[in-house]
Amino acid sequence: AQSVTQLDSQVPVFEEAPVELRCNYSSSVSVYLFWYVQYPNQGLQLLLKYLSGSTLVESINGFEAEFNKSQTSFHLRKPSVHISDTAEYFCAVSDNGGSNYKLTFGKGTLLTVNP
Amino acid sequence: NAGVTQTPKFRILKIGQSMTLQCTQDMNHNYMYWYRQDPGMGLKLIYYSVGAGITDKGEVPNGYNVSRSTTEDFPLRLELAAPSQTSVYFCASSSTGDNEQYFGPGTRLTVT
Repeated sequence: AQSVTQLDSQVPVFEEAPVELRCNYSSSVSVYLFWYVQYPNQGLQLLLKYLSGSTLVESINGFEAEFNKSQTSFHLRKPSVHISDTAEYFCAVSDNGGSNYKLTFGKGTLLTVNP
Repeated sequence: NAGVTQTPKFRILKIGQSMTLQCTQDMNHNYMYWYRQDPGMGLKLIYYSVGAGITDKGEVPNGYNVSRSTTEDFPLRLELAAPSQTSVYFCASSSTGDNEQYFGPGTRLTVT
């Protein structure tokens, strides 16, 4: 069975400050990793994903995440946040050899960016 | 291309009532999923389907039923609603390959 731990339930930061949202996973097999973002009263949207290849993946709005196999982590970072980044962020893991493509989600981290 | 649509957006049920949450996708995805989201708990998988006519239980299936008669539709049925089913319900779909799931806007259900 897989599991995902998001180490911080809430992260308050000031605008233009850097931020890191932490995610650790456990799995007995190779995995795909995802970060989803949920803005207030909306569904989840994919932010970025790691499937294979380069361990550093980037999103179009300045977020990046690095897959660290030895530490089983996939932390999300942004060097300078904006008010509009306020949202809940979910880390998710999937077995890349499975046949049902299920995702296991963490409990989420609420990022609040203050002026 | 609407993606994943869900109806209704909001619903209030009385204890013991039944209802069906509708989910439709227009991306010809084989895989579809139902999740519930409770505050501070992330998303829990209720049921999923790998194709028309094939469904399976997820992590929290009790009190729910699903069917998948077409590729596009994946309705979730609540029988004998209970307060514990108060939640936000999300439907999602994916194609084979990289497991990326596309989510609908959600249905907020209150059972009183």
